[in-house]
Amino acid sequence: DAMVIQNPRYQVTQFGKPVTLSCSQTLNHNVMYWYQQKSSQAPKLLFHYYDKDFNNEADTPDNFQSRRPNTSFCFLDIRSPGLGDAAMYLCATSSGEVDEQYFGPGTRLTVT
Amino acid sequence: GQNIDQPTEMTATEGAIVQINCTYQTSGFNGLFWYQQHAGEAPTFLSYNVLDGLEEKGRFSSFLSRSKGYSYLLLKELQMKDSASYLCAVKDSNYQLIWGAGTKLIIKP
Repeated sequence: DAMVIQNPRYQVTQFGKPVTLSCSQTLNHNVMYWYQQKSSQAPKLLFHYYDKDFNNEADTPDNFQSRRPNTSFCFLDIRSPGLGDAAMYLCATSSGEVDEQYFGPGTRLTVT
Repeated sequence: GQNIDQPTEMTATEGAIVQINCTYQTSGFNGLFWYQQHAGEAPTFLSYNVLDGLEEKGRFSSFLSRSKGYSYLLLKELQMKDSASYLCAVKDSNYQLIWGAGTKLIIKP
């Protein structure tokens, strides 16, 4: 089945230790998104790619970086995680900017 | 600023009907989405409205009034598995998706 896959599902990292979260999709969608979601809050868009065109949200901290080496894969790098970065990180894809987004299962990040 | 308002929490009884309201104020409008999110899981797409009126999909229906900046999600024949958060999201003129904080729906037997 076509889907959005995120690895790992659970990630524990230490304060200040870089971490990379990965997302892959078999939907062949043009657009890929990274969201941060904290408990009982709306998902917060960090950035998105339209093909190779990178779009960073104005309030996304510099601590967060992303790479999209090809259509199928997208990575979220957190260079120096702080305690406030503990959250669920959701990857989503869509065919175009007007279309519904399909989400992966998420990676729950814990910072110790 | 852009804003999406939905009730924080609602409670309903198994087998009943519940309506979850959403009001929005956004810079432009390119469609309204409803997503379901079970605790600890990712959101899943439920419905999309871009024109005024009612869209029905099985037990779930979604209504839109663009002039009033208002939508609702109607869930019929509630089942225990419908206990989840329901998020309303609007695409603005830049095609950015503006999310509400979600309505936590609790279903009681």
